[in-house]
Amino acid sequence: DTEVTQTPKHLVMGMTNKKSLKCEQHMGHRAMYWYKQKAKKPPELMFVYSYEKLSINESVPSRFSPECPNSSLLNLHLHALQPEDSALYLCASSQDRQGIRPLHFGNGTRLTVT
Amino acid sequence: QKEVEQNSGPLSVPEGAIASLNCTYSDRGSQSFFWYRQYSGKSPELIMSIYSNGDKEDGRFTAQLNKASQYVSLLIRDSQPSDSATYLCAVNGGRSNDYKLSFGAGTTVTVRA
Repeated sequence: DTEVTQTPKHLVMGMTNKKSLKCEQHMGHRAMYWYKQKAKKPPELMFVYSYEKLSINESVPSRFSPECPNSSLLNLHLHALQPEDSALYLCASSQDRQGIRPLHFGNGTRLTVT
Repeated sequence: QKEVEQNSGPLSVPEGAIASLNCTYSDRGSQSFFWYRQYSGKSPELIMSIYSNGDKEDGRFTAQLNKASQYVSLLIRDSQPSDSATYLCAVNGGRSNDYKLSFGAGTTVTVRA
């Protein structure tokens, strides 16, 4: 069982919908990440939070809006997505922002935009 | 030049054989190296971390690191059908890359029964 929990497992949304992806970890990790992964490609970094503050935004379109309400929770708010945004969205956490310790991934949310 | 390159595969090995996966990286400042296994449709799962030159063994897995050659490898001994997956090499980019983790494209391994 993964120690990083993501909900929902699957999400189908229209281009005009607003939805949110949720991620929770109770390992005391202080860095949390959102990745996007397309089929047969490696994960692609979207956002990094360190001590609940946004540390990295990899020039992600504003239709993706991250939020870190506390040290255990990470959300990704979705609005006006495009079909090409369909992918596996992965949340991860690590002990440190410097990447000395490995990332632990959640099970992911499979997103389909119709 | 890509930051992390892996032998592209796919790699097909018979059950019981050794699967050898290779990875090179470009940033000499990198200090942390990881191998993740990803089954089709699932999320990446950490199988090995290595930080120092040399070998590190964990069960049937051995990771090897050579910082001078900027090379990290993974050996899977006594390969089992359950080892069939995509293996991702990941390298911490260090301060010069804002500590981002760079992934290789992945090597897909198929273990033939």
